[in-house]
Order: sequence, then structure tokens, then C-alpha cells
Amino acid sequence: GDQVKQSPSALSLQEGTNSALRCNFSIATTTVQWFLQNPRGSLMNLFYLVPGTKENGRLKSTFNSKESYSTLHIRDAQLEDSGTYFCAAVNTGGADRLTFGKGTQLIIQP
Amino acid sequence: NAGVIQTPRHKVTGKGQEATLWCEPISGHSAVFWYRQTIVQGLEFLTYFRNQAPIDDSGMPKERFSAQMPNQSHSTLKIQSTQPQDSAVYLCASRRDSAETLYFGSGTRLTVL
Repeated sequence: GDQVKQSPSALSLQEGTNSALRCNFSIATTTVQWFLQNPRGSLMNLFYLVPGTKENGRLKSTFNSKESYSTLHIRDAQLEDSGTYFCAAVNTGGADRLTFGKGTQLIIQP
Repeated sequence: NAGVIQTPRHKVTGKGQEATLWCEPISGHSAVFWYRQTIVQGLEFLTYFRNQAPIDDSGMPKERFSAQMPNQSHSTLKIQSTQPQDSAVYLCASRRDSAETLYFGSGTRLTVL
């Protein structure tokens, strides 16, 4: 099965609303990264997390290593938040590489 | 800081031809990764260099794919005898060390006809 499982796979929101994306891990990991892939295909860094919470503007992310999940909260969604959100984890049991989830496709509607 | 630079942005090859993709990591970054992205498989790890040395190539198809990092300022991914199933976006990424954020280039979209 998927080592990094993201949910939901797709989401459509009205501008101004809030949402939460989730990532569950079946691999041992100590760090998580969240990325946003824009419609042009560029992968932009959102967060690099050790266990705990980080906040950046309207985005907040939490990584709970004991329960093996991470969440990304988007507050007051804007049109430019549209894209595909990926979470990725370093597999501490193997090589020093990121394993990615399949992504959540987010569409923000006016 | 121009970020990770990948060239070309798009490449079209005929079946059986060779394709070479280039990556210039961010200056000062010691680790360089190659990933492949397709609709079906998502983002797949291919290979990883640290301080120019190959560390892990477990994601590389063995027969036709090879990667090199001849100096700290560039890495190449070469695909021999390209096949239609090699069509994908190939992404290069770099980071300063193992406890740091991974930064991606814009990718090379390879289309094999």
C-alpha cells in the first residue's frame, strides 16, 4: 500500500472558506515537507516540519510523529491557493530521500 | 539565487533515441535528487547524490537510465533508447544537507513519440 497517503484526493472550495488536508504515514519518519504544485508545474515549498506546528500567513501545518500524520490547514482560501498539494516524508528506515503522497488537488472557486 | 535550474524545459524524442537532461543545483547545496512525475505513478524517486557521490539509485530503471554528477554545479540524467513509457516530467531537486528543505527545479517534460 501507499507509504504516504493523502486525503482527500480532490477538493473544491469557495473563496474565503477554510480547509484541512491530511497525510498519513506508514513509514517511520522524523520530518515532513509540504509542497504546492502550481498549474505551471513548479513545486513550491510550504513547510519543512519536525514534530510540532508551524504557521505562515493563512497556512498552518502540524506533524504528529507518534500518530504518524500531518495536516495542512488553509484559512480564508484565495484563488491563488489553487493547485495540487503534496506531502512528503523522509523514510528514516531507509535512504535519505523523500517519499511523496499522491497529492490533493485543490480548486478554489470565486 | 536562481533556484534549481533544469534544461531543457521540454524535450521531444523519437522512440529509440537518447535523451540527456541537465540540472544545476542551488550553489552550496551538497545533495541532488532526481524524481519523475507521471499522472499514474505520481512523484517517484530515481536517484540521489551527496557531495557528487552516488548514494542511492534504487529508483532508476537499470538498463537504460544513468545519472552523473561530474562537478558540484551540475548533474545529468541520461536515458538511452527512449520508450514511450519514459514520457514524464523529470524533476531535479537540491538541499544543503539532510536536515534541510528540498528545493525543486521547474522540471523537464520529456515526450517520447
